[in-house]
Amino acid sequence: DAKTTQPTSMDCAEGRAANLPCNHSTISGNEYVYWYRQIHSQGPQYIIHGLKNNETNEMASLIITEDRKSSTLILPHATLRDTAVYYCIVRVSGRDDKIIFGKGTRLHILP
Amino acid sequence: DAGVTQSPTHLIKTRGQQVTLRCSPKSGHDTVSWYQQALGQGPQFIFQYYEEEERQRGNFPDRFSGHQFPNYSSELNVNALLLGDSALYLCASRGTSGKNTGELFFGEGSRLTVL
Repeated sequence: DAKTTQPTSMDCAEGRAANLPCNHSTISGNEYVYWYRQIHSQGPQYIIHGLKNNETNEMASLIITEDRKSSTLILPHATLRDTAVYYCIVRVSGRDDKIIFGKGTRLHILP
Repeated sequence: DAGVTQSPTHLIKTRGQQVTLRCSPKSGHDTVSWYQQALGQGPQFIFQYYEEEERQRGNFPDRFSGHQFPNYSSELNVNALLLGDSALYLCASRGTSGKNTGELFFGEGSRLTVL
């Protein structure tokens, strides 16, 4: 079973911030939170990852709660091209490729 | 810089046949993993190859086998195909030295249909 739980689907208006939540209450101390997204019929694309500090890159921001039991991926200005399935996963960085994907969150960006 | 490339992109087989899928990792990467993604589901880990050996394996039968070559490219072989093997097969690679060793890069996948 996946170590994370995410809402099945979400809607967001184009131009607004999309906030995607993820629960990972059983995360271990050496596990990172990773986010990937998968646009229809393409391979998953890496977005961002973090251990305990908030992270930001050119695609998104990752907010991890102090107890590390949940996180939020923020797409600051959603566009139609952000419509995809977003996967939140936990894994030991740099070692474990045996990633357990859940069903992810299907994000619909509305024009 | 080419990313992860997979071939073929689409193929159709019949039950009982065998199939070989191929993957070239991203330049500078030496570890390759394979995933199976059924329609509407998240990807499921099949196995990982590093230094030409299988290092980790998911819950897949022995009909699924693989190989990694000295140039780090990899093959996934599936024997005695079943209808349930119809899926998108994804290859992912990462490096084991330098920065960003944890980041997995995925290919676009090979879509297998078994009739």
